[in-house]
Amino acid sequence: NAGVTQTPKFQVLKTGQSMTLQCAQDMNHNSMYWYRQDPGMGLRLIYYSASEGTTDKGEVPNGYNVSRLNKREFSLRLESAAPSQTSVYFCASSPSLGTIYFGEGSWLTVV
Amino acid sequence: GQQVMQIPQYQHVQEGEDFTTYCNSSTTLSNIQWYKQRPGGHPVFLIQLVKSGEVKKQKRLTFQFGEAKKNSSLHITATQTTDVGTYFCAGPRGNKLVFGAGTILRVKS
Repeated sequence: NAGVTQTPKFQVLKTGQSMTLQCAQDMNHNSMYWYRQDPGMGLRLIYYSASEGTTDKGEVPNGYNVSRLNKREFSLRLESAAPSQTSVYFCASSPSLGTIYFGEGSWLTVV
Repeated sequence: GQQVMQIPQYQHVQEGEDFTTYCNSSTTLSNIQWYKQRPGGHPVFLIQLVKSGEVKKQKRLTFQFGEAKKNSSLHITATQTTDVGTYFCAGPRGNKLVFGAGTILRVKS
């Protein structure tokens, strides 16, 4: 019962460095999402993919890119990390507009 | 665009007291979902409400969906320390869910 698996769990980056957060789900879900969570801000949608081959911007897409590699995998890339991108990132998946299943989160610090 | 507002932002209760969080949408929702996130954890689905005026119970938790399908509430009776965490409501907008900012619940034992 892996569900949604995201890596890495913790990462420290220097300003300007790039990195990719990986995410995979084994539930055969069509939709996948990337959220960031900051204190007092709830869950903000960065990008989502309603189906394999499609991606769309969410509320806070600036500074990020995504790739829906196949139905299972949805990666999030920071091309040039900034301190404002210090956050907890959650990957999630759902069967279209059904229940959303979240990964365990990735704690990213940009110094 | 559609927003989902959630209040209060934070509540600190004595163990045994009741707790309620409210969710309000600017537009009619086809359904509303509730999630719980324990400290240091990830959000976990609790329930989905679909029908106007619907009430569902899970042990000490009571969920309501308003008659106009624009608001919802989660009520916890006799809180326990295991109830601590952040409670989120979420409503559909297009082909994605919009989350409220969440209510943080702390329980004093």
